[in-house]
Amino acid sequence: QVQLVQSGAEVKKPGASVKVSCKASGYTFTSTWIHWLRQAPGQRLEWMGIINPNDGRPTYAQRFQGRLTVTMDTSTTTVYMELSRLRSEDTAVYYCARDQSHYQGSGTYYDWFDPWGQGTLVTVSS
Amino acid sequence: DIQMTQSPSSLSASVGDRVTITCRASQSISSYLNWYQHKPGKAPQILIYGASYLQSGVPSRFSGSGSGTDFTLTINSLQPEDFATYYCQQSYNTPRTFGQGTKVEIK
Repeated sequence: QVQLVQSGAEVKKPGASVKVSCKASGYTFTSTWIHWLRQAPGQRLEWMGIINPNDGRPTYAQRFQGRLTVTMDTSTTTVYMELSRLRSEDTAVYYCARDQSHYQGSGTYYDWFDPWGQGTLVTVSS
Repeated sequence: DIQMTQSPSSLSASVGDRVTITCRASQSISSYLNWYQHKPGKAPQILIYGASYLQSGVPSRFSGSGSGTDFTLTINSLQPEDFATYYCQQSYNTPRTFGQGTKVEIK
């Protein structure tokens, strides 16, 4: 079955970087995009960025530009999310999720996140 | 960015109840609206895409409606496994944005 398995929890100090991995299995890795999202305590889910496994090109949300790097390794079907210059507000559960889409006809494509990885808790604390 | 607002933020209901959650977008998003169920310690699960299309494998007691700026998720005959937090999410443009969530608790 389609599965995304993420790396384990991390504790980092302010100013450090964190790198979270997301290993995909059960489907053709290059067939669909992978997103990164996060949820801080008490906050709504937040979209961070996306990578196209066909060419490795990422797109980032404006607020993460300059701090977020999403990469991939096709040989291991793994996507990586690295967030630098961490601050306490970056404490959150980080998720990877596959882009799923459906053509409804008349030029209408719907897309959603499915499945999601199990989540990785990143704690930023001095 | 498109702002998504859900109401209520939480509700208490009993098994067998009909539950309705609403989601409003800050601008028209046509039918580009998804609903997810999220349980503590687990990954969110897609329920509805395209405002009203039931994802394969999701029980038929879940339904979605709406278009433009106003959307509704309905759960008919609430079951014990449905107690969770529900999120709407727009897929009209980037960045994708979510509502703040609606926590459905046991009365």
